[in-house]
Amino acid sequence: QAGLTQPPSVSKDLRQTATLTCTGNSNNVGNQGAAWLQQHQGHPPKLLSYKNNNRPSGISERFSASRSGNTASLTITGLQPEDEADYYCSAWDISLSAWVFGGGTKLTVL
Amino acid sequence: QVQLVESGGGVVQPGGSLRLSCAASEFTFSNYNMHWVRQAPGKGLEWVAFIPYDGSIQFYADSVKGRFTISRDNSKNTLYLQMNSLRTEDTAVYYCAKEFESFDIWGQGTMVTVSS
Repeated sequence: QAGLTQPPSVSKDLRQTATLTCTGNSNNVGNQGAAWLQQHQGHPPKLLSYKNNNRPSGISERFSASRSGNTASLTITGLQPEDEADYYCSAWDISLSAWVFGGGTKLTVL
Repeated sequence: QVQLVESGGGVVQPGGSLRLSCAASEFTFSNYNMHWVRQAPGKGLEWVAFIPYDGSIQFYADSVKGRFTISRDNSKNTLYLQMNSLRTEDTAVYYCAKEFESFDIWGQGTMVTVSS
């Protein structure tokens, strides 16, 4: 099953802003939006946002999500060392009847 | 707190079988849809299977269709993944995940290694 497209890596300086992208099509991201998950090395993923910009309780306001057409974005402001992690987007694909993930973006905070 | 605990992973030869379990606690398991998601060593996340709260249907990734079966026992608050005809490419950490709008709660995962 075809997945969503994410850049493999992004590097930003401490306290700067990073914007991660996730590109799909009208059957997935463009249909119901995307969710974003964060995964630190050796740990399970953690949900950061769902349906584009809804945050579960306990998730910092520094994380915000949006969507434009078939592309979803996650913006992280005021980058902190603990934000260094892998970030995945996911969406339900109505044509595949399957959930799809992006390949993940490794965020490095310099 | 809300918790999912996977078990049943291990080392198995190609062509073999394993059954994974995921024990849920501190939430009403029978109210929620559930998933299995896997992650091969050094790779990204791959969705594997889905079952709704009542077990009425199942969806599978093409890569496991016909070989894996997802099921649940709401009386035991437990999710299962029966894996048959295992291949080396099935080697991964297998996570169970609860669904609320998306994959909102994850277990710690159980490692499955398929090797001769």
